[in-house]
Amino acid sequence: EDQVTQSPEALRLQEGESSSLNCSYTVSGLRGLFWYRQDPGKGPEFLFTLYSAGEEKEKERLKATLTKKESFLHITAPKPEDSATYLCAVQVYNNNDMRFGAGTRLTVKP
Amino acid sequence: NAGVTQTPKFRILKIGQSMTLQCTQDMNHNYMYWYRQDPGMGLKLIYYSVGAGITDKGEVPNGYNVSRSTTEDFPLRLELAAPSQTSVYFCASSYSQQRVEWGELFFGEGSRLTVL
Repeated sequence: EDQVTQSPEALRLQEGESSSLNCSYTVSGLRGLFWYRQDPGKGPEFLFTLYSAGEEKEKERLKATLTKKESFLHITAPKPEDSATYLCAVQVYNNNDMRFGAGTRLTVKP
Repeated sequence: NAGVTQTPKFRILKIGQSMTLQCTQDMNHNYMYWYRQDPGMGLKLIYYSVGAGITDKGEVPNGYNVSRSTTEDFPLRLELAAPSQTSVYFCASSYSQQRVEWGELFFGEGSRLTVL
């Protein structure tokens, strides 16, 4: 069965303290891996799509990377406004179901 | 553009009652989805649709029904509500999988349902 596991469940950082969030996956034929950001009381908001191992995408202080078994979301010099839950999702070929991980709740203290 | 609009935002139901969660999108997306989100569990797909008149089950369809009579609307029907259906429900839409942007789901703000 296709599985997506995110770690850690929660992460507290000081402003400016860089770190990484992990998304490990076990799927049969990865078509794409996605990162979303979700603020409290809101729907998830799309960040990145990664299609193949070795691919990297960047947006402001965020950089997503992909290997054959996992993806990392690197946060460089985070600010309090980066506080949110970050969700990872995968989609496999011949399946319209985008499988989501449980998320990492990031808190950045000023 | 409004994007994806869900109503109601909050609702309390008694066990055995029925209701419909409404979802409409104005982006002319072919694909629409209903997810539920429970604490610590991630989003689970209930039903999805690849176009008007076409729907299919996701991972957790039991206790729910959907219809897609237009491109814009994708209502979710709860029949005989049970406490296990207490959750936050998200509607989403996307381009078809023939488009390069197919993986970008646009979500509504959610509908919080409590069944007592």
